Amino acid sequence: EAGVVQSPRYKIIEKKQPVAFWCNPISGHNTLYWYLQNLGQGPELLIRYENEEAVDDSQLPKDRFSAERLKGVDSTLKIQPAELGDSAVYLCASSRTVNEQFFGPGTRLTVL
Amino acid sequence: KQEVTQIPAALSVPEGENLVLNCSFTDSAIYNLQWFRQDPGKGLTSLLLIQSSQREQTSGRLNASLDKSSGRSTLYIAASQPGDSATYLCAVNELGAQKLVFGQGTRLTINP
Repeated sequence: EAGVVQSPRYKIIEKKQPVAFWCNPISGHNTLYWYLQNLGQGPELLIRYENEEAVDDSQLPKDRFSAERLKGVDSTLKIQPAELGDSAVYLCASSRTVNEQFFGPGTRLTVL
Repeated sequence: KQEVTQIPAALSVPEGENLVLNCSFTDSAIYNLQWFRQDPGKGLTSLLLIQSSQREQTSGRLNASLDKSSGRSTLYIAASQPGDSATYLCAVNELGAQKLVFGQGTRLTINP
């Protein structure tokens, strides 16, 4: 069984530029999560999808961040415009049930 | 608000030692607790998941315990090896929220 796939693995952009991250969850997993991990910290939830519905986006900074999961499978997380403080690792995870979450390798974003 | 704390933040021990990593959480209303391993620049690998009704789980040289009433979990690693060097993260799955709340991790170094 293939794991959670994320791309790109690394991204370097200038501040004020837009950036997008893509996630393909494990087949059959209806729940998809985006987490933000700052250096030396544990991940923090940004948004959770149940199929195509965003059921928890309370921690998503909606002024510059947006996400979509149009067909209930792949998901895209976007930042526009990016700020220096957005430099971090963006992790995607998926789960079939309320139990175990499986994580992708993450996208490491550097904003210059 | 659920808070998860891991002690120590960093630990360095010689190869072959048995060791214990600690995790505490403030709200006992959880579905389960997961221990993850994270290698530098990589995503999270799930090591053990303990349901809220369970007291412990074992996998190879790893044993995780859960005392929900006191808000504590420990990860015991037997006969440590240099390949065990990584950051270990504890996360609780909040009841009703279906999101993982992570500690900040323990950075473990096993010296040959």
